[in-house]
Amino acid sequence: GENVEQHPSTLSVQEGDSAVIKCTYSDSASNYFPWYKQELGKRPQLIIDIRSNVGEKKDQRIAVTLNKTAKHFSLHITETQPEDSAVYFCAASREESQGNLIFGKGTKLSVKP
Amino acid sequence: GAGVSQSPSNKVTEKGKDVELRCDPISGHTALYWYRQSLGQGLEFLIYFQGNSAPDKSGLPSDRFSAERTGGSVSTLTIQRTQQEDSAVYLCASSLADIPSYEQYFGPGTRLTVT
Repeated sequence: GENVEQHPSTLSVQEGDSAVIKCTYSDSASNYFPWYKQELGKRPQLIIDIRSNVGEKKDQRIAVTLNKTAKHFSLHITETQPEDSAVYFCAASREESQGNLIFGKGTKLSVKP
Repeated sequence: GAGVSQSPSNKVTEKGKDVELRCDPISGHTALYWYRQSLGQGLEFLIYFQGNSAPDKSGLPSDRFSAERTGGSVSTLTIQRTQQEDSAVYLCASSLADIPSYEQYFGPGTRLTVT
């Protein structure tokens, strides 16, 4: 089955700097990669996702990149703000299959003002 | 509209007691998932339901854990003979279908503390 590794487990950046979180997956057939954000004391929410037919996707200050050959994908946050502080989870799955998402263990991002 | 709700929000129980955790999914969502989140850990998949199909129980950590979903809506996660290592936040999520690319909407979670 699929296995998702996420690094780093914690990340601290200064406001305005960029943050990068990386995930690797094991199942070469996985083709759907969402990212969820969980603010302190709140529930996880989907912030962006990417499918294997594209290499990059952007949404304002957030971007995701995918390297299918190396089986890794990354979340990039530019011009970080204190409200970006949260735990970020990556996940991987086969979009056409029924079933659950396989999540990474999460990255706690702290943005210092 | 109403999101996913869970009850209770907090539960403190003594070791060895049974507990029931409840999840009310978004109306019309046929897929329902249960996850466990221990301190500093990720989202550990436990079980999911899709419509009237048999649930996928592959993530349940032991036979002390069980779940049911009545009428394709409300779900109850039961933990029998609780142990201290069961202490965690239990999250429920629902989606339109059990297709991974359908967004999962999470509930606020139930924080379980086993003393």
